[in-house]
Amino acid sequence: GQQVMQIPQYQHVQEGEDFTTYCNSSTTLSNIQWYKQRPGGHPVFLIQLVKSGEVKKQKRLTFQFGEAKKNSSLHITATQTTDVGTYFCAGPTTNKLIFGTGTLLAVQP
Amino acid sequence: NAGVTQTPKFRILKIGQSMTLQCTQDMNHNYMYWYRQDPGMGLKLIYYSVGAGITDKGEVPNGYNVSRSTTEDFPLRLELAAPSQTSVYFCASFPRGPNYEQYFGPGTRLTVT
Repeated sequence: GQQVMQIPQYQHVQEGEDFTTYCNSSTTLSNIQWYKQRPGGHPVFLIQLVKSGEVKKQKRLTFQFGEAKKNSSLHITATQTTDVGTYFCAGPTTNKLIFGTGTLLAVQP
Repeated sequence: NAGVTQTPKFRILKIGQSMTLQCTQDMNHNYMYWYRQDPGMGLKLIYYSVGAGITDKGEVPNGYNVSRSTTEDFPLRLELAAPSQTSVYFCASFPRGPNYEQYFGPGTRLTVT
């Protein structure tokens, strides 16, 4: 079945360093969504990318959707302690979302 | 709008007990989902529903049951609780399907001992 993998599983950075997580799907996606889950919280929608090669920015966060629509990335510039949490990508299939395995980001002040 | 609400927030069950996790959304969403998340792990789909009266199995349905008699409510039933069902359970909904933002409830933390 369709699978969505993310790397790395875990990353620890010093505050101010950059961070990137990569998402790879086994199949072509019509769109990709990104969610953030703070420790002890629930996943919260961040953004959706639809077009091949699309790049979107939200302040220090930059999201990219690959040309083949099978991969995506999230890059955070100059991490802050508020960026701590798990970042999930997700791709749609019939009637449901397939979530990636997630990347846990730890930020040391 | 309250969004997606879940009750209870926390629960401890003994092995073999049963319980129902409640989920309600006030956004008139047709699509509703139950996920479980084990510590340090990702989201696994248990059951989902694309509308009142329609339910379907997800990735890990064994040991659970659901019903969807109204658009608003999507309860998850655990029968004969087992330690392997210790997890955090999230209910979620879409307005019109997985090409749209999914809204999550705050979760129910369940421990089975």
